[in-house]
Amino acid sequence: DTGVSQNPRHKITKRGQNVTFRCDPISEHNRLYWYRQTLGQGPEFLTYFQNEAQLEKSRLLSDRFSAERPKGSFSTLEIQRTEQGDSAMYLCASSLQGGRGPGANVLTFGAGSRLTVL
Amino acid sequence: AQSVTQLGSHVSVSEGALVLLRCNYSSSVPPYLFWYVQYPNQGLQLLLKYTSAATLVKGINGFEAEFKKSETSFHLTKPSAHMSDAAEYFCAVSDRSNDYKLSFGAGTTVTVRA
Repeated sequence: DTGVSQNPRHKITKRGQNVTFRCDPISEHNRLYWYRQTLGQGPEFLTYFQNEAQLEKSRLLSDRFSAERPKGSFSTLEIQRTEQGDSAMYLCASSLQGGRGPGANVLTFGAGSRLTVL
Repeated sequence: AQSVTQLGSHVSVSEGALVLLRCNYSSSVPPYLFWYVQYPNQGLQLLLKYTSAATLVKGINGFEAEFKKSETSFHLTKPSAHMSDAAEYFCAVSDRSNDYKLSFGAGTTVTVRA
């Protein structure tokens, strides 16, 4: 178990460009979450998946944002036509939904992908 | 919907002194409560969690927290601060009514004075 892996760790882009972040969850976890964190704030929920199904999208996720988890394993978060307001840390987390073990329904976070839009 | 409020955005303590970080929650059903720590430019690391078992929860690095339903609180403490405790701390809540999605507080930054 190598934990939750996120790539790239840092991305600097110009306004208007598209960016994509990848998240590899803990292999046995069926839930995958995306959060956004801006400076001095707590993480804010964006979206989450149960296996390959996207269960909910926050109102924070505008039409320029799209997330996928095509085979129920890794996930990608794409931001099209980036704006300076998109600059933030994008955090991925995974969990095992259901079950009764001590780790059930507990989110494990990756190190995050920091986006800077110039 | 569930939510948490962290009282105090910054806390400064002397090395060896008590660390106390306050968190109050709101939830319409029995909550799960968490404390996460974040070091600069890193992700969130779980310190401890309350999931309806013992109300006094012990976590990593000498931290503990007590769930008090009557006060809707889940304050985090450590008897003796160490320089390595300097970080940002987040309280979070989830429950079955929201399918266990985490809602975070705004965070408390801890600085430790030598």
